[in-house]
Amino acid sequence: DVKVTQSSRYLVKRTGEKVFLECVQDMDHENMFWYRQDPGLGLRLIYFSYDVKMKEKGDIPEGYSVSREKKERFSLILESASTNQTSMYLCATRLTGGTEAFFGQGTRLTVV
Amino acid sequence: SQKIEQNSEALNIQEGKTATLTCNYTNYSPAYLQWYRQDPGRGPVFLLLIRENEKEKRKERLKVTFDTTLKQSLFHITASQPADSATYLCAYLDTGRRALTFGSGTRLQVQP
Repeated sequence: DVKVTQSSRYLVKRTGEKVFLECVQDMDHENMFWYRQDPGLGLRLIYFSYDVKMKEKGDIPEGYSVSREKKERFSLILESASTNQTSMYLCATRLTGGTEAFFGQGTRLTVV
Repeated sequence: SQKIEQNSEALNIQEGKTATLTCNYTNYSPAYLQWYRQDPGRGPVFLLLIRENEKEKRKERLKVTFDTTLKQSLFHITASQPADSATYLCAYLDTGRRALTFGSGTRLQVQP
């Protein structure tokens, strides 16, 4: 059974902190994605990676960076957390040539 | 650029009735559209996919249609149950980015 695991369900951080959100998959999928979800705005793509050490910006990359050192792990980094980064963060994977995406359970991040 | 739009207003229906949700796209017909279900505080889960050359797809009580003339997909749940209450998202694959682009979702509430 496909599994995408995000390191935390809930996280509270202070403004200015460096924040790491981790995502691990066990499906051997090449593609991994980070989305954020806000009420009324739907899911917006932050960054994605199609291979180890490869990354591309999505629609809203400002204030974020990512790291993919191993195929199964994709990390989202908030360099200096701000209150407008309070959101639900969703990691997803997809097989190249496949169709559906598989999501983690989400991380609800609150920046105070 | 392509946009994908869903009715942001919640849909309230009575148990046993058919729920119909709409997904409209603005420009070119995507090769396929996908529908996902999302429960509160959880990641989306894939339900169905319909290809551009398919008019209709069914899975148990779910039915999806794809009308390239109207630039629209409809998602139906027949004999709806309170357990069907959730937010339903449509998505298309932007092949250039390998990433799925999602609509903002429609919340369905089935009253017993």
